[in-house]
Amino acid sequence: RKEVEQDPGPFNVPEGATVAFNCTYSNSASQSFFWYRQDCRKEPKLLMSVYSSGNEDGRFTAQLNRASQYISLLIRDSKLSDSATYLCVVTPDNAGNMLTFGGGTRLMVKP
Amino acid sequence: DTEVTQTPKHLVMGMTNKKSLKCEQHMGHRAMYWYKQKAKKPPELMFVYSYEKLSINESVPSRFSPECPNSSLLNLHLHALQPEDSALYLCASSQVVLALPKQKLFFGSGTQLSVL
Repeated sequence: RKEVEQDPGPFNVPEGATVAFNCTYSNSASQSFFWYRQDCRKEPKLLMSVYSSGNEDGRFTAQLNRASQYISLLIRDSKLSDSATYLCVVTPDNAGNMLTFGGGTRLMVKP
Repeated sequence: DTEVTQTPKHLVMGMTNKKSLKCEQHMGHRAMYWYKQKAKKPPELMFVYSYEKLSINESVPSRFSPECPNSSLLNLHLHALQPEDSALYLCASSQVVLALPKQKLFFGSGTQLSVL
């Protein structure tokens, strides 16, 4: 089993739709959780951190479920510019500088 | 714009060439990283420098040689690469080691490397 797993997609949605991605992680000692966004041939950029209580930033909502070991990202009112690959990133534990990336979920928002 | 600057943005080299990738950040970060990313794959960690000392080498072949001249600069020296080394090479930094809570990675825009 991979340490961090994501559905690769692609998720094809129309503009204005609501779409949600999940990401599961295997290490129950994982400390920090993030969603990064990566456009084709560009660097990953931090979209948002994921906090235990859940957090929202505009159209984006992130949730953490420690009991089931998954995090989620909800995008409301999708825009064409949301088309990208969304990477789930987990800091496993206090053992060092290891970030574990999920394989990414590709989102395509269509007019 | 990213605050981590990488040069060059694109590089084409032959298998006998020697080249270097450069990375610079002025955010006062003390941890810097090299990642390699193939198309449609997530970034793979290569090296980690913490306070200018190499702290992690993820079993990277010796044809890749990192160097951290000071706290703001990180280089990756390339020699005798293979075509399968063609990838996007990403530099990143964080305030301190990622093991501490809430530490985040800031990526440079990458160097797209093609080895012929």
